[in-house]
Amino acid sequence: DQQVKQNSPSLSVQEGRISILNCDYTNSMFDYFLWYKKYPAEGPTFLISISSIKDKNEDGRFTVFLNKSAKHLSLHIVPSQPGDSAVYFCAARPYNQGGKLIFGQGTELSVKP
Amino acid sequence: NAGVTQTPKFRILKIGQSMTLQCTQDMNHNYMYWYRQDPGMGLKLIYYSVGAGITDKGEVPNGYNVSRSTTEDFPLRLELAAPSQTSVYFCASCSDGAGAQPQHFGDGTRLSIL
Repeated sequence: DQQVKQNSPSLSVQEGRISILNCDYTNSMFDYFLWYKKYPAEGPTFLISISSIKDKNEDGRFTVFLNKSAKHLSLHIVPSQPGDSAVYFCAARPYNQGGKLIFGQGTELSVKP
Repeated sequence: NAGVTQTPKFRILKIGQSMTLQCTQDMNHNYMYWYRQDPGMGLKLIYYSVGAGITDKGEVPNGYNVSRSTTEDFPLRLELAAPSQTSVYFCASCSDGAGAQPQHFGDGTRLSIL
């Protein structure tokens, strides 16, 4: 029972263009959604989050959009840079369950120069 | 500022052996977590702790044990290693399980059971 899904295993984008990474969830009992970035042989690094009561959060080149009716969120990276090449994980935090996270499978982003 | 430190980075075990994966954090975080990541998959929660002396099971706890005697340390114990436990293990910590603070991760322990 996969509560958080990232249906695209990989994405390739040209440098300078927009990268859009998608995530779907099936449970409405999440209070926060987070995006993590992971390089090989390193741990995930927090990128950006959004509260379930918001529909948009922006931090520099990164913007996360939340569509609660569709149970869908997306991460936009503009402009994309080669250093953005990594695996991106979407994660959802259930209400009142000790802060634990439920992760999607990840999307590997490749930004070509 | 070390953050979350995991040791060892790599380990090969034989079936049936036991080992402890170490995790320590220097941020005075109350909340700590253990995840495993299998190839092509997301991270799955094994155990977590909301404070010293308190632990609880996550999604995939079978074959593992944890303890939390101090705020800083959250070791993960494998008692009888099985090939299905071959994975990359990540420890994480967080200052507040109910607020906006994210989890901070260590760099992982890559474990192979042969």
